[in-house]
Amino acid sequence: DIQMTQSPSSLSASVGDRVIITCRASQGIRNDLGWFQVKAGKAPKRLIYAASSLQSGVPSRFSGSGSGTEFTLTISSLQPEDFATYYCLQHNSYPRTFGQGTKVEIK
Amino acid sequence: QVQLVESGGGVVQRGRSLRLSCVASGFSFRSYAMHWVRQAPGKGLDWVAVISYDGSIEFYADYVKGRFTISRDNSENTLFLQMNSLRVEDTAVYYCARASDTAYVDFDYWGQGTLVAVSS
Repeated sequence: DIQMTQSPSSLSASVGDRVIITCRASQGIRNDLGWFQVKAGKAPKRLIYAASSLQSGVPSRFSGSGSGTEFTLTISSLQPEDFATYYCLQHNSYPRTFGQGTKVEIK
Repeated sequence: QVQLVESGGGVVQRGRSLRLSCVASGFSFRSYAMHWVRQAPGKGLDWVAVISYDGSIEFYADYVKGRFTISRDNSENTLFLQMNSLRVEDTAVYYCARASDTAYVDFDYWGQGTLVAVSS
């Protein structure tokens, strides 16, 4: 199985800050990676697919990069509605595996 | 628009069974594979199972293999998850999501989830 290691597990940031979350795969997964935002009581929302493609309707302050084993999600200017937990997911092979999550909290 | 609506969750005793449903609308359900994903209270997302568009292929996470069965009824646009021999650690919100080998589609739409609570 492919293991996804996400860091940090949590961070505190202020509105307007630049935030970077990292995900590392235990083996190469090309660009078969997505990023998801989860808020309490709501369905997970896909932000990025194929490592760097922005999901339709998602603000352009979200961006993804990377390929192979190293990936990043960047929020260029954190907004109040962005405080949530973020997960990476590899869809290169089964079983599909998620990172452990990064909780973004208000500083 | 695409909608996925889960149901069937509830409180159940350890060792008992439960069947979840996910009704799809707004797209050609019979053309898409489907996932089940879960999130235990205070924990992260865990993939559970996937079924091909025609039901001929299934994959499971190791921790549910042999206990859970994914199935579908394309005539009713409905996905199922039969959960047997339930354990306390199966307590979670269960989501259905659209699946595909194409990155653009895989996990693009999710339902709101249904809560399963297994009591000891």
